[in-house]
Amino acid sequence: AQKVTQAQTEISVVEKEDVTLDCVYETRDTTYYLFWYKQPPSGELVFLIRRNSFDEQNEISGRYSWNFQKSTSSFNFTITASQVVDSAVYFCALSRDNYGQNFVFGPGTRLSVLP
Amino acid sequence: EAGVTQFPSHSVIEKGQTVTLRCDPISGHDNLYWYRRVMGKEIKFLLHFVKESKQDESGMPNNRFLAERTGGTYSTLKVQPAELEDSGVYFCASSSQSVLNTEAFFGQGTRLTVV
Repeated sequence: AQKVTQAQTEISVVEKEDVTLDCVYETRDTTYYLFWYKQPPSGELVFLIRRNSFDEQNEISGRYSWNFQKSTSSFNFTITASQVVDSAVYFCALSRDNYGQNFVFGPGTRLSVLP
Repeated sequence: EAGVTQFPSHSVIEKGQTVTLRCDPISGHDNLYWYRRVMGKEIKFLLHFVKESKQDESGMPNNRFLAERTGGTYSTLKVQPAELEDSGVYFCASSSQSVLNTEAFFGQGTRLTVV
């Protein structure tokens, strides 16, 4: 069975600090996709990144970076120099396909960035 | 371009009543998904439409839930009769069938409270 664990329920940091959100997944599939979504106070889920199981290269996008480690089944997300606008709930998700069918979501991590 | 739109944003109904949630996907998106997050739990997959056809409804909790997508455009999710445990946030997502490696776009969700 597939499962996604986000062990951190809530994290609080002060603005400009770096913060890492952990994600550990379980799957028996050899081909799968990992995602991160952000849920701001407005409620919608905002796509951040997709990574397929064959691509272990880490990725950086501005202040965001992702570390994919197949050996430990982890897909961690780091925000550098956090800002108040980063405050949101962040979900890690696992899917067998790119289209979002049968997403398995983690429970989410609520990040609060304090001024 | 308009994103995925869900109506209503909030709904409070009494146990035993009927509620219909609506989702308008991004124009041209053939894939439409329903997910829900009940209190304190993970976001769970409910079902997947490809155009007007139900591709996968393995996540539907019971026969009190009925999803339709007549004409392959917007979709409705009816809960009849509603029970207390149906309270939660219902998300809709859509994606394109014709574009490879695309992500699913989520709406802002409908918060359903059954009292």
